[in-house]
Amino acid sequence: GQSLEQPSEVTAVEGAIVQINCTYQTSGFYGLSWYQQHDGGAPTFLSYNALDGLEETGRFSSFLSRSDSYGYLLLQELQMKDSASYFCAVRDGTGGFKTIFGAGTRLFVKA
Amino acid sequence: DTGVSQDPRHKITKRGQNVTFRCDPISEHNRLYWYRQTLGQGPEFLTYFQNEAQLEKSRLLSDRFSAERPKGSFSTLEIQRTEQGDSAMYLCASSLGEGNYRREQYFGPGTRLTVT
Repeated sequence: GQSLEQPSEVTAVEGAIVQINCTYQTSGFYGLSWYQQHDGGAPTFLSYNALDGLEETGRFSSFLSRSDSYGYLLLQELQMKDSASYFCAVRDGTGGFKTIFGAGTRLFVKA
Repeated sequence: DTGVSQDPRHKITKRGQNVTFRCDPISEHNRLYWYRQTLGQGPEFLTYFQNEAQLEKSRLLSDRFSAERPKGSFSTLEIQRTEQGDSAMYLCASSLGEGNYRREQYFGPGTRLTVT
């Protein structure tokens, strides 16, 4: 089956850099996505990695190592508004369309 | 606002009643997903449509759940004979198929269901 593991909580201070890790187990692989969700809000797409390496989008970067079944989301110059839950997600490896989300990492940014 | 809308935003119902939720995706998106999310968890896949065809349904979904997407536009999710365990946020998401190599999904604000 498919599963994803990520830390449940991370705390960091404003202006710092934080890394949220995600390890996955899938029977096939179609890329790793990251979503952000603020309390009471809907998940919003942040990034996607299909190949190994780093993808940078402004203050956010995402990394993938397919050989290690591992990825991470890197948030730089943390702001209070970055306090949210972050989910990694993979598409079902059996060729279907099901998307599987991790349980999420809750990020607390302190002043 | 992502452009995906859901109605109603909140629904309180008594156990045993039927409920129906509606999702209006971004108009040019041919893919539509339904998820369920409980507190402290990630979205849990329920079902997927490509245009009007329901191509996948979670095995976790009981026969009390049914979804439709007539004409490949809006979608409805119906829960029959609701149970307290159905209380959750029901999220709809849409995405573009061809050319969307990032496969990003755009989520609606969700319908929060409370079964009493």
